[in-house]
Amino acid sequence: DGGITQSPKYLFRKEGQNVTLSCEQNLNHDAMYWYRQDPGQGLRLIYYSQIVNDFQKGDIAEGYSVSREKKESFPLTVTSAQKNPTAFYLCASSIGPPDEQYFGPGTRLTVT
Amino acid sequence: KQEVTQIPAALSVPEGENLVLNCSFTDSAIYNLQWFRQDPGKGLTSLLLIQSSQREQTSGRLNASLDKSSGRSTLYIAASQPGDSATYLCAVHAGGTSYGKLTFGQGTILTVHP
Repeated sequence: DGGITQSPKYLFRKEGQNVTLSCEQNLNHDAMYWYRQDPGQGLRLIYYSQIVNDFQKGDIAEGYSVSREKKESFPLTVTSAQKNPTAFYLCASSIGPPDEQYFGPGTRLTVT
Repeated sequence: KQEVTQIPAALSVPEGENLVLNCSFTDSAIYNLQWFRQDPGKGLTSLLLIQSSQREQTSGRLNASLDKSSGRSTLYIAASQPGDSATYLCAVHAGGTSYGKLTFGQGTILTVHP
């Protein structure tokens, strides 16, 4: 089955700790994206990557970091510098930037 | 800056009704527009993608239209069913310096009751 996997589904961390969210796709897509979803705010773009070894900041990149060493993988690290990290994080991919985006099941991060 | 608005914010209808969800965007320089469905606590499922050169796109009971010049799109759902209950999101793929970025609306929460 082709698709996007995100793990874990739920993640709990203490304030001040860095945490890495996993995103893997087997769709052979070049472009990958990370979004954050908060109640009442809709989805906001954190980072995106159009090709391996390249990525750009989205609208709310502060406190986050990414890497794109493999086509299939685009992990997101939520650092201790992110002021409000508790949210639902969604990963997506597409053939290229303006093409149809497909989303993973999401990871719900809770930081206390 | 592109802004996307969806109306209504919530909609409750009896099963079998035909319904229309509205989406408007402020910058008409878009590549395409995508409609998604999201069930509670889940990821997004792509429903339809309309290219900027197209007027409409159909999939089963769903029909999406696009009027790029007026900055509007509608999602028409025919013969609604309880299983259609979900949040429906509209998103536009930007052009220019924001090439390929998706800007989302806040969504319409749809409830179809038996």
